[in-house]
This record gives sequence, structure tokens and C-alpha cells, in this order.
Amino acid sequence: GNSVTQMEGPVTLSEEAFLTINCTYTATGYPSLFWYVQYPGEGLQLLLKATKADDKGSNKGFEATYRKETTSFHLEKGSVQVSDSAVYFCALSDQAGTALIFGKGTTLSVSS
Amino acid sequence: GAVVSQHPSWVICKSGTSVKIECRSLDFQATTMFWYRQFPKKSLMLMATSNEGSKATYEQGVEKDKFLINHASLTLSTLTVTSAHPEDSSFYICSASEAGGGRETQYFGPGTRLLVL
Repeated sequence: GNSVTQMEGPVTLSEEAFLTINCTYTATGYPSLFWYVQYPGEGLQLLLKATKADDKGSNKGFEATYRKETTSFHLEKGSVQVSDSAVYFCALSDQAGTALIFGKGTTLSVSS
Repeated sequence: GAVVSQHPSWVICKSGTSVKIECRSLDFQATTMFWYRQFPKKSLMLMATSNEGSKATYEQGVEKDKFLINHASLTLSTLTVTSAHPEDSSFYICSASEAGGGRETQYFGPGTRLLVL
């Protein structure tokens, strides 16, 4: 079945450091891929998405590229800020679009 | 952006009682709502999908009689945990999909933490 695997956290970085959170997936067909972010005390928010191979999703300085050959969708940001501290979830939606399948989430903590 | 609220945000109840959790789309009409359950340090697990005016579709392993879902209007879905037991303690999250939205248009509520004593 479809599944998402993302790196275990927590990830602790200093402000302005480079961020990579790895995400790989298993799916039949051509899923859409997403990164969601959950700030403390808030609901999940869509951060970025990609719907086909080689697409790059980007938002708020974050980027992720849909790599079908490696079945990956790694999240990157060149310079993190304290305000980026949150839990990040990688997810996929199957072709039917009926549900999202999430990874376990990666907690990012950025200190000044 | 679209806002989804949940009520209550947390609840503590005695074993054997029933608990109702509400999920509301505040500024859009949600034809589809999803209910997830999240365990500590685990991913969100989809419990069921509900479409307005029809019966919910439950994921394998989720007890329909235990977790009653009602989606009576385009802005409200409820999840009732019947005869709750300590193992039902968890974080329940709903999401709502906007009418006509693509499969990525899910907006999430802040979640409800349930503790059954």
C-alpha cells in the first residue's frame, strides 16, 4: 500500500542554518506530494505541494522537488528562522484523491 | 484562508461515557470532511471520510459503532466516541475539503485532545 517515510526528529538548528528534512514514499501510480506544517497550538497548514514528477513546490523560502526516480520529496530551506520552529509532515494523496497519507512528522527547533 | 475549527479543544471524561467532537468549516462549504487520529510521535491515521448527506466511509480497522460520524450540513461534521475507554485517548484532528476543490484542498482543524480516565 501507499506509505510515507520521513526522517526522525527532532532537528535542532541555529538561525540561518541550512535545513533538509528527508521524505520518501511508496505509492502506485502517480501520487501528489505535500508538505504540511503545524505550528505550536495550531492546525496543519499546507506548506507546499507538487503534483507530478520533476515539479518543484515552494513557499516561504521552503522548496521540495518531486523525484520519481528516487521516490523522494525532500524539504529544504537555505536559511531557517526561529519562526520556522514547528512540526513538518510529508504526505501523499493517491490518484483517486480520496485521502492524505502522512509521515510521522519531524519536529524542527531553531534557536537564535 | 479557509478556517476549520474544532470543539472542544480538549476533553477529559470517565470510562464508559460518550464524547462528541465538532468540526466546523467557518468560511467555506465543505463537501467532504476527514477525521484523523494521531498518537504521540506517530503520523496522522485516517479514520473515516464523510460526505455531506451520506454515510461515512471508514478505514479498515476503525469500528463504525465506536466512532460515529455525522456530516449533516456543509459546514459541520461530528465525531462521537461512544462508550469511551482509556485506549481511545488520543488527539483527533478533522480536515475539510472545499466544494469543487482539488484533492489537495484540505484545511485542518487544530485538533481535540481526548483523555479517558
